[in-house]
Amino acid sequence: DAGVIQSPRHEVTEMGQEVTLRCKPISGHNSLFWYRQTMMRGLELLIYFNNNVPIDDSGMPEDRFSAKMPNASFSTLKIQPSEPRDSAVYFCASSGQRNEQYFGPGTRLTVT
Amino acid sequence: GIQVEQSPPDLILQEGANSTLRCNFSDSVNNLQWFHQNPWGQLINLFYIPSGTKQNGRLSATTVATERYSLLYISSSQTTDSGVYFCAAEVSGGYNKLIFGAGTRLAVHP
Repeated sequence: DAGVIQSPRHEVTEMGQEVTLRCKPISGHNSLFWYRQTMMRGLELLIYFNNNVPIDDSGMPEDRFSAKMPNASFSTLKIQPSEPRDSAVYFCASSGQRNEQYFGPGTRLTVT
Repeated sequence: GIQVEQSPPDLILQEGANSTLRCNFSDSVNNLQWFHQNPWGQLINLFYIPSGTKQNGRLSATTVATERYSLLYISSSQTTDSGVYFCAAEVSGGYNKLIFGAGTRLAVHP
């Protein structure tokens, strides 16, 4: 199994630009999670999906953040417009029936 | 909501030493996982352990769900064990949502 796949691995963008992060969960997993990690705030859960349906988006910091899961094998996290304080590592994770989460390699986002 | 607390927050070991990391959780949980975040930032599954004891090489974990704690044992530590160790508890009825502790930062020196 290829594991959870995220792209891009690194993203550098200017303030005000739109950023789209992508995630492909492990095949057969029915839950998908987006996390953000910073030195100041640690690991934060932003949103999670179950069977492609968003279950809890209370961790999404602002309306500038949105996430979609159009099918079982793909999800996006979009930031529009981006701000310097959005700089962080964004992780995607997925889990199956056993509820064991597996993390992707992360996307390191830098907003200048 | 459920609280997950890890101790110690920081740990420095000499290569070859043993250590025990602790995770306390404030409520009943369906599941508990241990992760290792290596110095390159990767989050790696160590154990899926809602109860009982499991071993994987030099690492082992024990969860006592009735007493709401889990322990991670590292024996004969190596420099590659350095990084941050997180425990995470699954909230009952939470659609697999995990609540993470703040982590234990481990540095193993040669």
